[in-house]
Amino acid sequence: QVQLVQSGAEVKEPGASVKVSCKTSGYPFTNYGLSWVRQAPGQGLEWMGWISTKNGNTNYGQNVQGRVTMTTDTSTTTGYMELRSLRSDDTAVYYCARTAASYSGSYYIYWGQGSQVTVSS
Amino acid sequence: EIVLTQSPGTLSLSPGERATLSCRASQSVSSNFLAWYQQKPGQAPRLLIYGASSRASGIPDRFSGSGSGTDFTLTISRVEPEDFAVFYCQQYGSSPFTFGPGTKVDLK
Repeated sequence: QVQLVQSGAEVKEPGASVKVSCKTSGYPFTNYGLSWVRQAPGQGLEWMGWISTKNGNTNYGQNVQGRVTMTTDTSTTTGYMELRSLRSDDTAVYYCARTAASYSGSYYIYWGQGSQVTVSS
Repeated sequence: EIVLTQSPGTLSLSPGERATLSCRASQSVSSNFLAWYQQKPGQAPRLLIYGASSRASGIPDRFSGSGSGTDFTLTISRVEPEDFAVFYCQQYGSSPFTFGPGTKVDLK
């Protein structure tokens, strides 16, 4: 069955970087893209961006453009999201989600369990 | 960027009642690429509806989606106890693929 398993909780100081992983299984990795969505405490869902697992093309949201890098490792069928220059308002649960198609404009059937990132001094 | 507005913010219902949730877009959603998700506390979102009106696999038929252009609706024909949650709409027709702020359906 399709599974997306994310890395554990992280606590970082302001200005630091965090890298969250998303290990996938149960489907052909390069047939579907990966998106990242975050959710601040008590808030709604915020789309961060998408990466093609086929060629590495990315599409980032303006809210994190310039601070985020999404990558994949096809040998381990894992996606990564690195966020730099962390601020307190980056404190959130970060989700990876598999698109229903190979392109970025798609809905999400499968989600990771979420990774809590806390930014605090 | 397409801004999605959801109403009401909170909907208080009793089991067995009908729920009608609205999602309005600031501009037309391309090809009606509009999805609905349900999220319970501490859980990842679950896809209910895609393409404005297609039910995802395994979703009970009491959930239905309708609408086009800028106005979309999620209807729960008779709310069951397990349906109380927050519901989000998302447009995936034009980047950035924005979410609405959510509608909380809670127990009256």
